[in-house]
Amino acid sequence: SQTIHQWPATLVQPVGSPLSLECTVEGTSNPNLYWYRQAAGRGLQLLFYSVGIGQISSEVPQNLSASRPQDRQFILSSKKLLLSDSGFYLCAWAHGYEQYFGPGTRLTVT
Amino acid sequence: QKEVEQDPGPLSVPEGAIVSLNCTYSNSAFQYFMWYRQYSRKGPELLMYTYSSGNKEDGRFTAQVDKSSKYISLFIRDSQPSDSATYLCAVYSGAGSYQLTFGKGTKLSVIP
Repeated sequence: SQTIHQWPATLVQPVGSPLSLECTVEGTSNPNLYWYRQAAGRGLQLLFYSVGIGQISSEVPQNLSASRPQDRQFILSSKKLLLSDSGFYLCAWAHGYEQYFGPGTRLTVT
Repeated sequence: QKEVEQDPGPLSVPEGAIVSLNCTYSNSAFQYFMWYRQYSRKGPELLMYTYSSGNKEDGRFTAQVDKSSKYISLFIRDSQPSDSATYLCAVYSGAGSYQLTFGKGTKLSVIP
């Protein structure tokens, strides 16, 4: 069966510091991968998605970036965090339209 | 007009009640309709999905789609305290990009 992992589970970072969140998927190959951010009262915001290694589409221009160095690995990064980057970051994988989410990373920027 | 509208609640019901959760959408191109359940501080989990109009039942849960009125519903029978969560609807056009459009979620509390 397929499993999706995210780490770290929680993170507290100062403004201006870098960020690296990692997502890995097991039990499937060539999945579509997604990064979402969920802020209180704002629903799920799609940040990036990838249909293959090195193929990244950005939905929201901001100080975040994403990379897919391996088939089942998806990384979310920032060079300098802003207060507004705080939120619950979710990775998801899909074959077709059914998306399956990871446990999430709660990021607090102080 | 937002693509998917969902009443955020909160919705509070007594244990055993029938719960009705609803979303409306604006784009008639949407073909696939999904419901996710999200417990506090956890990732959303896919509950049910339906294609086009009609009903789909899974245990105590029934998903219903009315494409003529662009209205989707999730019914929970014999609600349990363990059903307390936020429920998100999601739609997909089938256009090949595999991007879902989510509602903001309805927070449900089932009181014992």
